Amino acid sequence: EAGVTQFPSHSVIEKGQTVTLRCDPISGHDNLYWYRRVMGKEIKFLLHFVKESKQDESGMPNNRFLAERTGGTYSTLKVQPAELEDSGVYFCASSPWTGYSSPLHFGNGTRLTVT
Amino acid sequence: AQTVTQSQPEMSVQEAETVTLSCTYDTSESDYYLFWYKQPPSRQMILVIRQEAYKQQNATENRFSVNFQKAAKSFSLKISDSQLGDAAMYFCAYRRTQGGSEKLVFGKGTKLTVNP
Repeated sequence: EAGVTQFPSHSVIEKGQTVTLRCDPISGHDNLYWYRRVMGKEIKFLLHFVKESKQDESGMPNNRFLAERTGGTYSTLKVQPAELEDSGVYFCASSPWTGYSSPLHFGNGTRLTVT
Repeated sequence: AQTVTQSQPEMSVQEAETVTLSCTYDTSESDYYLFWYKQPPSRQMILVIRQEAYKQQNATENRFSVNFQKAAKSFSLKISDSQLGDAAMYFCAYRRTQGGSEKLVFGKGTKLTVNP
């Protein structure tokens, strides 16, 4: 079974530019999550999709961040315009169903550097 | 709000020895799950072990075990017979479900070094 894949693995952009991160969950997983770790801080929840619907986007920092999951398959996270404080590692995770027992699988993350 | 605290930013252990990583959390809920995740240098986060709050018995997975003290809100991870491959960032996490939404609340992590 293929795991959760994220692309790109690393992105370096200048402040003010736009970047789009992509996550391909495990096939058949309805739940998709985005998390972010800013250097030296906790990994923070950004949002949760169930299929194509946003179940919870309470962790999105501001309106410069836009997440989509068209067709309930892969998801994109766009940052526009990027700011220095957006630098960090963005993780995607997926799980087959909602509930405590549902196994959560993480991708390798995308390291975003904004200069 | 739930918080997770890992008080040890870095730890080191000699190969074949035992090490314990600390984690405390704060919650008003009675039913929840706690997790330890490992993130090796290759960066993929891997589940090490999980504990259901309603179970009094401490979870064990091979060389990994937890000491779950619900009243004290403590959830430490013990790694026995440490191996070089155990070197990684270890994150303690609390999983909550609310209104159909699920999220993990993470600690800041502990970087574990295993010395040969």
